[in-house]
Amino acid sequence: NAGVMQNPRHLVRRRGQEARLRCSPMKGHSHVYWYRQLPEEGLKFMVYLQKENIIDESGMPKERFSAEFPKEGPSILRIQQVVRGDSAAYFCASSTGTGEGQPQHFGDGTRLSIL
Amino acid sequence: LAKTTQPISMDSYEGQEVNITCSHNNIATNDYITWYQQFPSQGPRFIIQGYKTKVTNEVASLFIPADRKSSTLSLPRVSLSDTAVYYCLVGDSWGDYKLSFGAGTTVTVRA
Repeated sequence: NAGVMQNPRHLVRRRGQEARLRCSPMKGHSHVYWYRQLPEEGLKFMVYLQKENIIDESGMPKERFSAEFPKEGPSILRIQQVVRGDSAAYFCASSTGTGEGQPQHFGDGTRLSIL
Repeated sequence: LAKTTQPISMDSYEGQEVNITCSHNNIATNDYITWYQQFPSQGPRFIIQGYKTKVTNEVASLFIPADRKSSTLSLPRVSLSDTAVYYCLVGDSWGDYKLSFGAGTTVTVRA
């Protein structure tokens, strides 16, 4: 009964490169959320997706960041032309819905380091 | 999302019961209360969720008084492995999928 799987666990990129973070939700979960945690801060919401649809991307920077959750395969958070300020832990969560009794379950994150 | 206030840190010893109280004075009628646990280098782990009175599962109990302006997470007989940060979140059933994690309560269990 696998939980939310994220890979890679650690990712190192140089400034200007692209970073791709993957998230496979729990079995049976069709709702995916991405959060970012900067050092010494709490998790901050970035984007909420359902299969093939972005529901809410209000927490995601308008430039360089994009997310998708295709019909087949994992959800992808893509960061283009990374900068040092993108260094953070990125967490993915999934749920069966957004109501009571449908809590979000989190993966163990991808730690992105920008050189 | 209703604002929550919880202690920054708590210390305990193995075998003791730990009670973490969260204040949420502005909780709305439709809001429910959720607690998460986070270990270093891991994602938050769902512990328990409730709306009123008492909820219990195999990990913890959640006590919610009638006015619902606070809630208490109770961890029975803690062990060293319960050392973690605990977060209290309050939100309604349909709109608050943007979970907001504050500083949480760092619980340190000593031998």
